[in-house]
Amino acid sequence: EIVLTQSPGTLSLSPGERATLSCRASQSVSSSYLAWYQQKPGQAPRLLIYGASSRATGIPDRFSGSGSGTDFTLTISRLAPEDFAVYYCQQYGSSPLYTFGQGTKLEIK
Amino acid sequence: QVQLQESGPGLVKPSETLSLTCTVSGGSISSYYWNWIRQPAGKGLEWIGRIYTSGSTNYNPSLKSRVTMSVDMSKNQFSLKLSSVTAADTAVYYCARVGLLPFDIWGQGTMVTVSS
Repeated sequence: EIVLTQSPGTLSLSPGERATLSCRASQSVSSSYLAWYQQKPGQAPRLLIYGASSRATGIPDRFSGSGSGTDFTLTISRLAPEDFAVYYCQQYGSSPLYTFGQGTKLEIK
Repeated sequence: QVQLQESGPGLVKPSETLSLTCTVSGGSISSYYWNWIRQPAGKGLEWIGRIYTSGSTNYNPSLKSRVTMSVDMSKNQFSLKLSSVTAADTAVYYCARVGLLPFDIWGQGTMVTVSS
């Protein structure tokens, strides 16, 4: 089983700042199969990034994804008030077919 | 646009079977993988399993012995059964679609509590 470890667990930043979230896999993950999701309280997760670096429909360009192999990064260039949420990375391909990281909470400083 | 809606009992007794249905509206259920994912309160996401419209299934090995999924093309619905539930199965259960993109559409989620 591929384990995804996200860091930091909590990130405290102010609006307008840059956020960098990390996702490290216990084994190599195909870039095609690494995604990022945003979840706000009481809501379902929302797909942000797929294929490690492609933005989903309607996602602002301040969100970007990068990485390969075992190290992946989600960057939010300038935090907007609505960006404070929990972020999950997710991989596809190894048994179990889909696994998620434990999440990074992005909170207002 | 396509929307998903989970339905089913919010309370299930220990040792009984949890049954949920996800209704797909605004589009066809054909040619996608339909998934169940759960999230205990304050915790992360756990993939339970998926079903293709052909009826082919894949389950999380950690739950495989207790999970059954089915699809009803005529009703645009797919379902989850989880047997022998315990308090550890208490969670919000989501249905979600996978096609060319991973988990691109989610239901709003339904809370299921296991308690006597």
